[in-house]
Amino acid sequence: GENVEQHPSTLSVQEGDSAVIKCTYSDSASNYFPWYKQELGKGPQLIIDIRSNVGEKKDQRIAVTLNKTAKHFSLHITETQPEDSAVYFCAASLRNTGKLIFGQGTTLQVKP
Amino acid sequence: DSGVTQTPKHLITATGQRVTLRCSPRSGDLSVYWYQQSLDQGLQFLIQYYNGEERAKGNILERFSAQQFPDLHSELNLSSLELGDSALYFCASGLAGGTGELFFGEGSRLTVL
Repeated sequence: GENVEQHPSTLSVQEGDSAVIKCTYSDSASNYFPWYKQELGKGPQLIIDIRSNVGEKKDQRIAVTLNKTAKHFSLHITETQPEDSAVYFCAASLRNTGKLIFGQGTTLQVKP
Repeated sequence: DSGVTQTPKHLITATGQRVTLRCSPRSGDLSVYWYQQSLDQGLQFLIQYYNGEERAKGNILERFSAQQFPDLHSELNLSSLELGDSALYFCASGLAGGTGELFFGEGSRLTVL
């Protein structure tokens, strides 16, 4: 069935460094790959997404890359700030279903 | 504010009991999704409704059921509760069934004692 694996489960970086979180998905029919940020006591919020017809997308300090052949996608955060500290989830969605299958999450800690 | 409203925010109950969680989707969204988030777990997809009809089912227990009403709000019913059902239950809404952003509510935290 559909499965999304996410690594690492925890990540600690110094303020100003870069952070990279990686995900792999199992279903080659997946065509939409969002990333969500969940702060303590809140629901997940979309921070960036990419569709299968695009290899890379960037929004200020955040970028996502997709390798459809290898079924990998990654989140890159540059110049990290303490407010980037949160749990990050990757997800994959099958064409036209809207249903998201989430990875297990990565707890990012940015040390000042 | 995502525009998705979930009630109650917190709920404490005993094993064997039944509870109902409620979700009002974002204005204009026809799809509602329910997810369960247990301690140290990711977001597990439970069920999806689209315009009142069940669209997809995930790892939802038989003791759990859901429905979406004509005004598009949704309810998740959890019965014969067990300790392991303690979790955060999130509702999300999105536009008509195609792929796109899901907007999550702030969750209902259920504690079963």
